[in-house]
Amino acid sequence: GAVVSQHPSRVICKSGTSVKIECRSLDFQATTMFWYRQFPKQSLMLMATSNEGSKATYEQGVEKDKFLINHASLTLSTLTVTSAHPEDSSFYICSARVQGSLSNQPQHFGDGTRLSIL
Amino acid sequence: GQQLNQSPQSMFIQEGEDVSMNCTSSSIFNTWLWYKQEPGEGPVLLIALYKAGELTSNGRLTAQFGITRKDSFLNISASIPSDVGIYFCAGPWYGGSQGNLIFGKGTKLSVKP
Repeated sequence: GAVVSQHPSRVICKSGTSVKIECRSLDFQATTMFWYRQFPKQSLMLMATSNEGSKATYEQGVEKDKFLINHASLTLSTLTVTSAHPEDSSFYICSARVQGSLSNQPQHFGDGTRLSIL
Repeated sequence: GQQLNQSPQSMFIQEGEDVSMNCTSSSIFNTWLWYKQEPGEGPVLLIALYKAGELTSNGRLTAQFGITRKDSFLNISASIPSDVGIYFCAGPWYGGSQGNLIFGKGTKLSVKP
């Protein structure tokens, strides 16, 4: 149980393109989903917390107009990288926590999206 | 911000050897989580610890929640090639909102057959 699906797994596109990444909880509902960014050989850095039906909470230094987050249902959150540039190339990973679980319960992660901007 | 100090950074071991890694913090955590990440994939939860002093096993993996609540240990017994990956400790931090996870920098494990 607690499977999180992320799509696409890999994106290669030209500079200036906007890219949408989907994160779905397949067998549970998630009021809260999280978006992380991971550079090569580094740890995961939280970008934003996505809440169903409300605005996302962004971490310091993350541009909310650059990284648009929509959490329209209890099983889907999307991250759109707008007008992507080469410096946005990274591994983006989402996670979700089971609805109703305490905030110290584990997050379940998707398999990540490798974004490469040419 | 808060940090989790994870060591060692990397380990190169022979198949069959035992492995030990740890994670420390200057702050108290009420939960410790251990994840494993393989190349090109997201982290997979290995063990969750919720109580100081707790010792929990998952197959050949054993993790402990330190008594001070500022550290945790992960041990792998009789390592095999498929244990290769990066192991992360993590804990929920309430200085932000909603118990966001803070991650250690990871321990990269290489196992030589």
